[in-house]
Amino acid sequence: AQSVSQHNHHVILSEAASLELGCNYSYGGTVNLFWYVQYPGQHLQLLLKYFSGDPLVKGIKGFEAEFIKSKFSFNLRKPSVQWSDTAEYFCAVNADDYKLSFGAGTTVTVRA
Amino acid sequence: DSGVTQTPKHLITATGQRVTLRCSPRSGDLSVYWYQQSLDQGLQFLIQYYNGEERAKGNILERFSAQQFPDLHSELNLSSLELGDSALYFCASSSELAGIDEQYFGPGTRLTVT
Repeated sequence: AQSVSQHNHHVILSEAASLELGCNYSYGGTVNLFWYVQYPGQHLQLLLKYFSGDPLVKGIKGFEAEFIKSKFSFNLRKPSVQWSDTAEYFCAVNADDYKLSFGAGTTVTVRA
Repeated sequence: DSGVTQTPKHLITATGQRVTLRCSPRSGDLSVYWYQQSLDQGLQFLIQYYNGEERAKGNILERFSAQQFPDLHSELNLSSLELGDSALYFCASSSELAGIDEQYFGPGTRLTVT
């Protein structure tokens, strides 16, 4: 079964700082990769997804992620965060079954 | 708004009781997924239905069951509730059978077992 690990439990940074959240998965086959965001009091929303093709994926709200197959990683980045990016971020992997396996999540707090 | 609706938003009940959570998927989506989010376990996949049939099972307890009806709405039944069942239960839907498509999540039902 696949597993997903997110390196950071809680990240605190100031507005305009750059953000990078790590995500590694354990599965040797073809995977589909996702980053979801959960703003306070809201449901999970898709930020971006990777199925195939260009390993650098651009998502909504200025986020991007890079798939590095050799490192089993799918790290999320944003060059300059805003206060409104305060949220919990989840990396998720789908392999060759139907379910999504989620990482434990990273809480991002952006200070004004 | 994702288009996925869940009722009720909050549920408070006692240990040993049984509850039913309801989910209506986005219009046209045939797949429904149930997830449990708790502080200690994180976000865990429970079960998936596609067009009325069970397709995948995750970490779902035997005390829990689900079904998807002909109108595609789904219900998650939790019985013999324990304190540890307190969690946020999310429903998600997608248009495809396989999990390669984006899943759209509902707002969740917060279950508190006292």
